[in-house]
Amino acid sequence: KQEVTQIPAALSVPEGENLVLNCSFTDSAIYNLQWFRQDPGKGLTSLLLIQSSQREQTSGRLNASLDKSSGRSTLYIAASQPGDSATYLCAVRPGNNRLAFGKGNQVVVIP
Amino acid sequence: DTGVSQDPRHKITKRGQNVTFRCDPISEHNRLYWYRQTLGQGPEFLTYFQNEAQLEKSRLLSDRFSAERPKGSFSTLEIQRTEQGDSAMYLCASSFLEGDGYTFGSGTRLTVV
Repeated sequence: KQEVTQIPAALSVPEGENLVLNCSFTDSAIYNLQWFRQDPGKGLTSLLLIQSSQREQTSGRLNASLDKSSGRSTLYIAASQPGDSATYLCAVRPGNNRLAFGKGNQVVVIP
Repeated sequence: DTGVSQDPRHKITKRGQNVTFRCDPISEHNRLYWYRQTLGQGPEFLTYFQNEAQLEKSRLLSDRFSAERPKGSFSTLEIQRTEQGDSAMYLCASSFLEGDGYTFGSGTRLTVV
């Protein structure tokens, strides 16, 4: 069974600092990996999708890397802003249609 | 098309009552998924439809739960004889092609009192 772990569970950073969020998974046989953002009491907003054949994806201030062989992905958020405060969820898709999620990285950016 | 829509946003019900949630996926998406999320946890898979066919079901989907997608468009998730442990956020997602990412809706928060 695929297990997904996100470290750290929670972090606070001052505005302007870069954020580094880590995701690890136990089975490297994945189809793709997706990072989501979730605001309190809300649904999930897709940030980046990385296919298993890709090493990274970028969108604006966000960059996600994937090292499938070691079972790791990292989400970088450059020059953090208070509006980046949210929970960030990593989800891996194994060969079936069931995404396996981590518990999330809860981020607070302090103005 | 503005995304995946879920209705209602919030539902409070008494234990033992039946509840039904609706999900409208992105119109061209033929794949539809239901997930459940409890506080402080990541979402957990419940079931998957391709068009109108329910192809996968989690063991989390007990016999009190039923999901349908009658015409391959919108889907409903019904919970019969609700229990306090059913309190959670119920999330719907859709996708188009095999390798596509998932687009989630805003969820339905269920509180069983």
